[in-house]
Amino acid sequence: GAGVSQTPSNKVTEKGKYVELRCDPISGHTALYWYRQSLGQGPEFLIYFQGTGAADDSGLPNDRFFAVRPEGSVSTLKIQRTERGDSAVYLCASSLGGYFTDTQYFGPGTRLTVL
Amino acid sequence: GESVGLHLPTLSVQEGDNSIINCAYSNSASDYFIWYKQESGKGPQFIIDIRSNMDKRQGQRVTVLLNKTVKHLSLQIAATQPGDSAVYFCAERPKAAGNKLTFGGGTRVLVKP
Repeated sequence: GAGVSQTPSNKVTEKGKYVELRCDPISGHTALYWYRQSLGQGPEFLIYFQGTGAADDSGLPNDRFFAVRPEGSVSTLKIQRTERGDSAVYLCASSLGGYFTDTQYFGPGTRLTVL
Repeated sequence: GESVGLHLPTLSVQEGDNSIINCAYSNSASDYFIWYKQESGKGPQFIIDIRSNMDKRQGQRVTVLLNKTVKHLSLQIAATQPGDSAVYFCAERPKAAGNKLTFGGGTRVLVKP
């Protein structure tokens, strides 16, 4: 079946602009995660949804970052007033939603470049 | 041998040899560990996982070893192939942190033909 998909694959924007990044999880996966990966580093957790609600948003760096998942499937990560330091690859993952050995499967990521 | 470049330690391995990638994790309360493989321009790909009540788990050509005493995780790849060239990340799930994963810094594996 289809894996996690993310659009766009690349996004270039100017400092101060607003961007939206989209994630389509694996069908049937109730849990969805957003991570951010800087060059040469491992992914860093941003936010986790169980169904429609954000179960843990402790990784969001500040209030410019917001994510939604209104129908419990597709999720959108929104970044307001982008800064050059926001440049990174934004990864989405999904899982079945249990706790024990709940494997997270990642999408290809969206590379965001803020000029 | 190992070297450091672009912030990632690098393991150079001859094709056909076995590879061992090491990871020191940070949280003694973590109860679940995963190894991911990431190729250039792609997202992390699940390789194998292990729960904290185990010390060894085997998959196809891969074995994960967990030493909770020293908080150490390793990934062994048997008969390394050119397609194994990638960056490998270990990840831990702290028990009190829900389902979020904490990733290590990664190791680059280069397979020489």
